[in-house]
Amino acid sequence: QVQLQESGPGQVKASQTLSLNCSVSGGSISSAGYYWSWIRQHPGKGLEWIGYIYYTGSTHFNPSLKSRVSISVDTSQNHFSLKLISVTAADTAVYFCARAGNAMVFNSWGQGTLVTVSS
Amino acid sequence: SDELTQPPSVSVSPGQTASITCSGDKLGDKYVCWFQQKPGQPPVLVIYQDTKRPSGIPERISGSNSGNTATLTISGTQTVDEADYYCQTWDTTVMFGGGTKLTVL
Repeated sequence: QVQLQESGPGQVKASQTLSLNCSVSGGSISSAGYYWSWIRQHPGKGLEWIGYIYYTGSTHFNPSLKSRVSISVDTSQNHFSLKLISVTAADTAVYFCARAGNAMVFNSWGQGTLVTVSS
Repeated sequence: SDELTQPPSVSVSPGQTASITCSGDKLGDKYVCWFQQKPGQPPVLVIYQDTKRPSGIPERISGSNSGNTATLTISGTQTVDEADYYCQTWDTTVMFGGGTKLTVL
């Protein structure tokens, strides 16, 4: 069974870049048919999809974040990464990585990591 | 509209049936998933493709989707079902509903 684990700094200064990694184990990130996603949850709020990457490198982002987001994949290391530039306090959230299969069904999630943006 | 609307909260007595709705424009034309999330934990998929249950999800949890509304139904609700529930769909982008807090009391 595939497992995902987020890692990265728990605190980022405002105006800087948030960078997170998601390590995948129990399965290959190069498997066809899976979309490797980032989803966030503001404290006490709902879920917000950030974007996904396919193992080929093809990406798709939430229009509301598209100008600030990039997602990359490293098939040799079996992980994918998120970068969010020019962060503000509004980017403080728990960030989840997740795998989606056919019909964008998110059937595997990491535990999530809290990132706090400080001034 | 590109929004999914859920009631903020639903309350149910133990053993009764809980229904959580998710409304969106022509939602019945799209596939809907439902997630259960308990405090401090990641979401857990409980329904996908409108009506299907992943392995390990009890039969008392079911889903439907027609017209502009998808519904998650929990029959014989137990205290263990108390959680936040989110609907999700996608067409040109992935969308989540705002979430519904299910209280069992």
